[in-house]
Amino acid sequence: KAGVTQTPRYLIKTRGQQVTLSCSPISGHRSVSWYQQTPGQGLQFLFEYFSETQRNKGNFPGRFSGRQFSNSRSEMNVSTLELGDSALYLCASSPGGTGLYNEQFFGPGTRLTVL
Amino acid sequence: AQKVTQAQTEISVVEKEDVTLDCVYETRDTTYYLFWYKQPPSGELVFLIRRNSFDEQNEISGRYSWNFQKSTSSFNFTITASQVVDSAVYFCALSEQNQGGKLIFGQGTELSVKP
Repeated sequence: KAGVTQTPRYLIKTRGQQVTLSCSPISGHRSVSWYQQTPGQGLQFLFEYFSETQRNKGNFPGRFSGRQFSNSRSEMNVSTLELGDSALYLCASSPGGTGLYNEQFFGPGTRLTVL
Repeated sequence: AQKVTQAQTEISVVEKEDVTLDCVYETRDTTYYLFWYKQPPSGELVFLIRRNSFDEQNEISGRYSWNFQKSTSSFNFTITASQVVDSAVYFCALSEQNQGGKLIFGQGTELSVKP
């Protein structure tokens, strides 16, 4: 099975711009979660989508948003970029389901640099 | 509140030494899951182990072993006879029941194994 793929792998933007990152989960997986990794804050949960619905959300401002399509692919969008948004954005997929924990598989990440 | 603490920011050892990475967690749930992930320089998080709160058996996998103690809320990771390829950042993480894909990560421990 192909693993989790994320595109693009690297991105450079300037302050005030917006950006869209894409994540394709493992085939058959219905849950996609997004994480932000920075040297100062570490790995922080952004949100999770399951069957096209946001199931869980972290403590990030409304500039961070996401969506999931019927084929389980997910996108996250960051509007009005700030310097502090520079980070590695990781996507993880899992089979999904409620009440049980499903192992998450991580993609290689998208490295976003905001100038 | 959920929290994971990895007090060791950096550890440096010489090849073939044993090394233990500490992890202490906080949660109010009685059902939860603990994880260890490895992050090599490439950036992708690699799953190492998952343990649920009802299973306190220690586990050994090759040179890796894990010690889970609910009494002290700890889930420590030991690498026996370390190798240069073990050099990476290691993360401990917590997920509570019905939280789906939300993982709470510790700050990570950077392990450097020198030849």
